[in-house]
Amino acid sequence: QQQVKQSPQSLIVQKGGISIINCAYENTAFDYFPWYQQFPGKGPALLIAIRPDVSEKKEGRFTISFNKSAKQFSLHIMDSQPGDSATYFCAASLAGANNLFFGTGTRLTVIP
Amino acid sequence: EPEVTQTPSHQVTQMGQEVILRCVPISNHLYFYWYRQILGQKVEFLVSFYNNEISEKSEIFDDQFSVERPDGSNFTLKIRSTKLEDSAMYFCASSEWEGYTFGSGTRLTVV
Repeated sequence: QQQVKQSPQSLIVQKGGISIINCAYENTAFDYFPWYQQFPGKGPALLIAIRPDVSEKKEGRFTISFNKSAKQFSLHIMDSQPGDSATYFCAASLAGANNLFFGTGTRLTVIP
Repeated sequence: EPEVTQTPSHQVTQMGQEVILRCVPISNHLYFYWYRQILGQKVEFLVSFYNNEISEKSEIFDDQFSVERPDGSNFTLKIRSTKLEDSAMYFCASSEWEGYTFGSGTRLTVV
């Protein structure tokens, strides 16, 4: 019930392309959905987050799309750059709590 | 930009030994956490700490683990008797509520 399923496990995108990473959850009590970016040897860094009362949130080249009825959310990276190459984790937390349940991660490689 | 600082960056220890991992959270943050990441796997919640006590813990956080905020700035994770399966990257994080800042981690290797 606390699982967050993430796909794909790895993704290769050409520079300038769109990277799309998907996550799905079961527990409808989740009410906060962040995405984290992790470079090798570093801790995860918050990229963007959304709550279930909105269907989309955009910050620069990064957009979260949220489908409450399908219990799915996705990260879109527009105009992907080699510097975006990293591991991306989706996560979720329950209402009233702030510990995070992470997805299994997607290793993104953007080739020039 | 404020950072969460973790020391050491890498620790090697013998099985059965005690280890203490140290963290300095961001000064105005109220919530502190430990997470771990076994190589190539997802990040897993261990424990959260608020107002000088544990607020939540996972089933991973058993009696061999403990946390402490000994002096108002440091936040430590102690593993009493390390096992081989404790080998992982341990991340400290802090937050005002949501929107964590993670440290760069301590890689613990148990041999």
